Amino acid sequence: DIVMTQTPLSSPVTLGQPASISCNSSQSLVHTNGITYLSWLQQRPGQPPRLLIYEIFNRFSGVPDRFSGSGAGTDFTLKISRVEAEDVGVYYCLQTTQFPWTFGPGTKVEIK
Amino acid sequence: EVQLVESGGGLVQPGGSLRLSCAASGFTFSNYWMLWARQAPGKGLMLFSRIDADGSTTFYADSVQGRFTISRDNARNTLYLQMNSLSAEDSAVYYCVRDSRSGVDYWGQGTLVTVSS
Repeated sequence: DIVMTQTPLSSPVTLGQPASISCNSSQSLVHTNGITYLSWLQQRPGQPPRLLIYEIFNRFSGVPDRFSGSGAGTDFTLKISRVEAEDVGVYYCLQTTQFPWTFGPGTKVEIK
Repeated sequence: EVQLVESGGGLVQPGGSLRLSCAASGFTFSNYWMLWARQAPGKGLMLFSRIDADGSTTFYADSVQGRFTISRDNARNTLYLQMNSLSAEDSAVYYCVRDSRSGVDYWGQGTLVTVSS
């Protein structure tokens, strides 16, 4: 199975300041079709997960443009340009290149 | 509006069985692969079973292989999960998830399964 790691596991941030989360995979996430199936999901307290980013950098419908994704191969990053109160929650990276699909452990974003 | 509504969760004894359902609406259910995911209390996420659009192909994670069965009824727009030989390690919130070209794009609210004597 592909192992996903994230850093940091906790990220206290000041409102209006940027936040960055790194995700690393134990092997390349480039599929044989050339697409890299790396997604980012947000889980607010008491809510189900919500898709933010798919295929490294594509924002899902309705996701604010303060969220951006980047990276390639085995190293990926989610950035929030200016953190808002509604961004509090746990962020997960997810690889869907190879079954079983696997998540990172999650990064908790909280307001300082 | 895409909606996924899980049902069937509850308290079950170790070794017991449970069948979860997921009612889908707001999209053409028969065009999409579907998944089941779970999250143990205070823990991370796990996607453990996947089914193709017509129900002919299924995938399972090792931890549920042989105990869980995913199925679907496209006429009823419903996804199912039959869970047998349950143990405490299976206690979790179970989510129904749509699989699209954008990835795992819609999640239900979840249904809680508690395995305990």
